[in-house]
Amino acid sequence: GAGVSQSPRYKVTKRGQDVALRCDPISGHVSLYWYRQALGQGPEFLTYFNYEAQQDKSGLPNDRFSAERPEGSISTLTIQRTEQRDSAMYRCASGPGPDYEQYFGPGTRLTVT
Amino acid sequence: DQQVKQNSPSLSVQEGRISILNCDYTNSMFDYFLWYKKYPAEGPTFLISISSIKDKNEDGRFTVFLNKSAKHLSLHIVPSQPGDSAVYFCAATYTNAGKSTFGDGTTLTVKP
Repeated sequence: GAGVSQSPRYKVTKRGQDVALRCDPISGHVSLYWYRQALGQGPEFLTYFNYEAQQDKSGLPNDRFSAERPEGSISTLTIQRTEQRDSAMYRCASGPGPDYEQYFGPGTRLTVT
Repeated sequence: DQQVKQNSPSLSVQEGRISILNCDYTNSMFDYFLWYKKYPAEGPTFLISISSIKDKNEDGRFTVFLNKSAKHLSLHIVPSQPGDSAVYFCAATYTNAGKSTFGDGTTLTVKP
């Protein structure tokens, strides 16, 4: 079946612009996660949802970052007023529940110039 | 403070031999551990997991060992194959945490 998809795969934006990253989880998966991954490091937790409820947003770096999953399926991670330090790979994952393995998408490579 | 550490950034083994990848953790609350494999230009894929009530879990060529007293786990791949060449991430979580904490990965190269 279809895996987790993310769009766009690559995004180049100018500093100060807002960006929206989309995640399409595996159908039926309850949990959805957002991670950020720097080169040579493991995924770093940002936030996660069970259904449409945001359960934990403790990993969001500051209030420029927000996420939503309004219908319990597709999720959007929004970064406002982007800064160069926001450049990274942003990964989405979904899972059948909060205590199970996660299925990762291919990621969105964000570059802020 | 990194709660999950993979101290070896890289490992190289000969095809057919055993690969042993190590992972240490510091948070005593962690009770579920996972290994993910990642090929270039792809997202990590789940490989194998272990609950803290066990000290070993086996799936084909892959075995994960957990030593709770040492807060250490390891992934054994026997026999190693060139297709196993990838980055391996160790991850840990605890009941109802939702999120997983990842190590920085070990790049395994299996030479033919």
